[in-house]
Amino acid sequence: GAGVSQSPSNKVTEKGKDVELRCDPISGHTALYWYRQRLGQGLEFLIYFQGNSAPDKSGLPSDRFSAERTGESVSTLTIQRTQQEDSAVYLCASSFGPGWEQYFGPGTRLTVT
Amino acid sequence: DQQVKQNSPSLSVQEGRISILNCDYTNSMFDYFLWYKKYPAEGPTFLISISSIKDKNEDGRFTVFLNKSAKHLSLHIVPSQPGDSAVYFCAATPTYSGGGADGLTFGKGTHLIIQP
Repeated sequence: GAGVSQSPSNKVTEKGKDVELRCDPISGHTALYWYRQRLGQGLEFLIYFQGNSAPDKSGLPSDRFSAERTGESVSTLTIQRTQQEDSAVYLCASSFGPGWEQYFGPGTRLTVT
Repeated sequence: DQQVKQNSPSLSVQEGRISILNCDYTNSMFDYFLWYKKYPAEGPTFLISISSIKDKNEDGRFTVFLNKSAKHLSLHIVPSQPGDSAVYFCAATPTYSGGGADGLTFGKGTHLIIQP
């Protein structure tokens, strides 16, 4: 079966523009997570979706960041008015549910110039 | 304030020898710990986990040890193989199997290099 997929794999954007990153989780996984990894840093938790519950947004660094998920499928992470410090690899993961092992996608490398 | 620390950015080990990767944590609420392995241009892949009710978990060449009193865990790989060369991330969460909704807290990773 297919793993977690993310698109685009690479995105270069100018400072101030909006970007949208997409994640397709593994079918049947109810939990979906977004993380980012900035250069030289560990993975930083951003947001968590579980089924139809309200998402846990506690990791979002600012109100420029938002995410949506359609049911238990595709999720999009939107960054408005991008800044250079937003440059990072954005990783999506899914799992059967909270506490289960998370399976990661390959990530989207975002570069803000 | 880093809650999960991997103090060695890199580690070089000879093929066939034991690789020991260390991880320290500060949050006493963490009760489930995981190791992920990451190759360049790929997402992390789950390797092995341990819950706080155990002090050791073994899976083939990989063993994770947990010392709760010291808030320390380690990953042992024996014997080390060239394909083990990757970045290893330690992760922790205060929830386990049906618990809450927290994302994982990751360390910065240790780049393991297996030398032939």
